[in-house]
Amino acid sequence: QSVLTQPPSASGTPGQRVTISCSGSSSNIGSNTVNWYQQLPGTAPKLLIYSNNQRPSGVPDRFSGSKSGTSASLAISGLQSDDEADYYCAAWDDSLNGVVFGGGTKLTVL
Amino acid sequence: EVQLVESGGGLVKPGGSLRLSCAASGFTFSSYGMNWVRQAPGKGLEWVSSITGSSSYRYYADSVKGRFTISRDNAKNSLYLQMNSLRAEDTAVYYCARGCSSISCYSPWGQGILVIVSS
Repeated sequence: QSVLTQPPSASGTPGQRVTISCSGSSSNIGSNTVNWYQQLPGTAPKLLIYSNNQRPSGVPDRFSGSKSGTSASLAISGLQSDDEADYYCAAWDDSLNGVVFGGGTKLTVL
Repeated sequence: EVQLVESGGGLVKPGGSLRLSCAASGFTFSSYGMNWVRQAPGKGLEWVSSITGSSSYRYYADSVKGRFTISRDNAKNSLYLQMNSLRAEDTAVYYCARGCSSISCYSPWGQGILVIVSS
């Protein structure tokens, strides 16, 4: 059971917009920044969004992040087949004194 | 180009020890916090440990506290994870990752190294 809760799966058709949620509490998302990672099949994770809504250089602006209260979201617009991957949220948890990850969301492009 | 290359993984018996290394290149190693994150087969990501650039602060997940030790050698641009009293549940791919804007921000990541704990 992960401290941050993500839906196990999400799907969409090419061109669509999909959103992946990440629900936490006041000790993690509520008081610390959220980062998102993309893990393509068989590869190492890659930073997708940092500090809630910032994109590292090289990440397309189709990817966006937001945070409100104790929840965060990752939105992917103009869905492409290359976006099929596992997506994880992460944040520091003040109560656990450690980093917590969401359980991951497997995105399928239909 | 920033590069992180892990080594030292393999098969070890329960109760045994292993030392992972991560060789860094392409950036000023001492200026960055460094981290270990693991992924059990078919499972999600789990943070293991973090260390600041000067080694002043070290953080551990409860699941490894007292058994694993993170360290670094800035002169050798290397990060280490000494793993003792290994358990079957420590079986995972271990990733080395450079810190960025916050303690839960990691970029880039190494390719990962597999550790199997089995008799």
